[in-house]
Amino acid sequence: DQQVKQNSPSLSVQEGRISILNCDYTNSMFDYFLWYKKYPAEGPTFLISISSIKDKNEDGRFTVFLNKSAKHLSLHIVPSQPGDSAVYFCAASESGAGNNRKLIWGLGTSLAVNP
Amino acid sequence: EAQVTQNPRYLITVTGKKLTVTCSQNMNHEYMSWYRQDPGLGLRQIYYSMNVEVTDKGDVPEGYKVSRKEKRNFPLILESPSPNQTSLYFCASSKLGGRNQPQHFGDGTRLSIL
Repeated sequence: DQQVKQNSPSLSVQEGRISILNCDYTNSMFDYFLWYKKYPAEGPTFLISISSIKDKNEDGRFTVFLNKSAKHLSLHIVPSQPGDSAVYFCAASESGAGNNRKLIWGLGTSLAVNP
Repeated sequence: EAQVTQNPRYLITVTGKKLTVTCSQNMNHEYMSWYRQDPGLGLRQIYYSMNVEVTDKGDVPEGYKVSRKEKRNFPLILESPSPNQTSLYFCASSKLGGRNQPQHFGDGTRLSIL
């Protein structure tokens, strides 16, 4: 059973508008969350992360929001650009994993930003 | 350029023929890991390594072996590949230390076992 869920397989937005990608999780032991971006034929690239002690982290056009009570996080991209078109993965790590940096992954959301 | 390099990128082979997928990183990272990505299942960890000569199983280690004789290299070995190991494989590396060390990924190896 998926512990990290990205319920929207795809999303399409207009250039310049906001993109909101959502992620839900079920494991209350998750305490660190990451977003990765993936282009075709390439590996995932780290985008932004958030610790469970925070509810928001911002890096340029990218902001991640964490709602621990709802076990929900979202990635906001403002403004969206055509180069943002990619698959976005939500991933989580567990506080009990020790030094293993294992990430638990969602299935991804394919974002298309249309000019 | 900081990178994780996997080889080969694509391989079609037959059941039972031993193969090795190489992974090399040039960032002096202690931690390395292998994932496989399958439709509907996402990326799942196969093996990981905390440092030279230190390896451990991830969630789906059956049918795979790894070794870590040098810090930069972490090969994935399929001694007797089977069709259920047909998948897209990613190698990743990161520094140890704080939890905020992001993992860097290779570009993937697509294996087809006939």
